[in-house]
Order: sequence, then structure tokens, then C-alpha cells
Amino acid sequence: AQSVAQPEDQVNVAEGNPLTVKCTYSVSGNPYLFWYVQYPNRGLQFLLKYITGDNLVKGSYGFEAEFNKSQTSFHLKKPSALVSDSALYFCAVRDWGADGLTFGKGTHLIIQP
Amino acid sequence: EAGVTQFPSHSVIEKGQTVTLRCDPISGHDNLYWYRRVMGKEIKFLLHFVKESKQDESGMPNNRFLAERTGGTYSTLKVQPAELEDSGVYFCASSSGSLTGELFFGEGSRLTVL
Repeated sequence: AQSVAQPEDQVNVAEGNPLTVKCTYSVSGNPYLFWYVQYPNRGLQFLLKYITGDNLVKGSYGFEAEFNKSQTSFHLKKPSALVSDSALYFCAVRDWGADGLTFGKGTHLIIQP
Repeated sequence: EAGVTQFPSHSVIEKGQTVTLRCDPISGHDNLYWYRRVMGKEIKFLLHFVKESKQDESGMPNNRFLAERTGGTYSTLKVQPAELEDSGVYFCASSSGSLTGELFFGEGSRLTVL
């Protein structure tokens, strides 16, 4: 069975500082990994994904994530946070052969001016 | 291009009543998914349609839930009879391609069962 852990319910970062939102996963095969963001009263929006290839993937709004197979992690990062980055972030994994995504509980990212 | 739309945005019903949620995917998207988020918990996969066929319904909680996608366009998710634990936000998502592609989510339908 596949699973995702986001160990932090909330992450607080000052504007302009780098940010990291953590995600670890468990799958039986090779993982397909995703990050989605949800702004208030909106649906989830795709940020980036790792399928294969380069371990560092770049996505929307300046976000990137690093796939680390040995640590089974896929942390979301951004070099310089903006107040507008404040939202709820979800990490998700799809195991090979599975139809549905398995999501983490989500991490509230709060960027303080 | 219109995104994924869901209706209603919020529904409040009493235990034992019936509710039907509707999802209109992005035009041309063959894949349609239903997910549910119960308060404070993970977003859980419910089922996956490819056109009008149910590809995977392993996440459906029980037989009180019925999903349909007649004609391979919009989909409905009926809960009958509703129980308290069915409260949550029901998300619909669609995609055009493979299982590695991104999903486009609707804003969700919040269901409150009293």
C-alpha cells in the first residue's frame, strides 16, 4: 500500500527567506510524486511532479522539489518566499499500477511579511 | 477554457436524506476522478472513470455511494442514505492523458450531514 507523510501541520517563514515543506512517501514500486497547492475556497492546483529522470524538478511559481530515493522524500522548496505563497500544500504519490493518488494531510504554509 | 465545475458548492442535509453531487470535467478529458476530504484528514481517492466506464472504484466507502458518468461527460455522486460520517469536501478532478499527468481539480462540494 502506498502512503504519504507530511510531518508538519504548519510552516512559518518570513518573506524573502527560503522555505521547505517536507514530504516522505512509501510505495511498493517506483513512485510518481506530485505537489498540489490549495488557496482558500479554491480547488487544488498542480505545482510539479516527479516521474523519472533528474531528481530536481521545477514547477510553477518558482517552486522546486528534490526526489531522494534513499530517504524516500520529496521535499518542496523555494529560494525566496512571497506572502502570496501562503496556502495549503499537499504532497501526493501514485504507485505504479494504481489509479488514484494518495495524499498527505497537507501543510499550511504561512509567509509573514 | 472552463475548468472543472462542481455543484452544489455546499449542501446541508439531515441524516438519512439523499444528496447528489455533480461534476462537469474539462471538455475532452476522458479521465474523471472523485476524491473526498473528511475534516482534518487526508484527501482520499474514491473512484476513477475513463469515459463512461468505472476504471477503479476501490475507494468507495460502501454501497450507500453511487457514482455515474452517463455518456462520458459529467458525473454524479449520490449518497443515499447519508450518514454523519459522510460529511466532508468532495473533490472532482479530470485529466486528459496518462496516470502520470496532472489532475485538474474543481473547487469541491462541501457536504454537511446533521
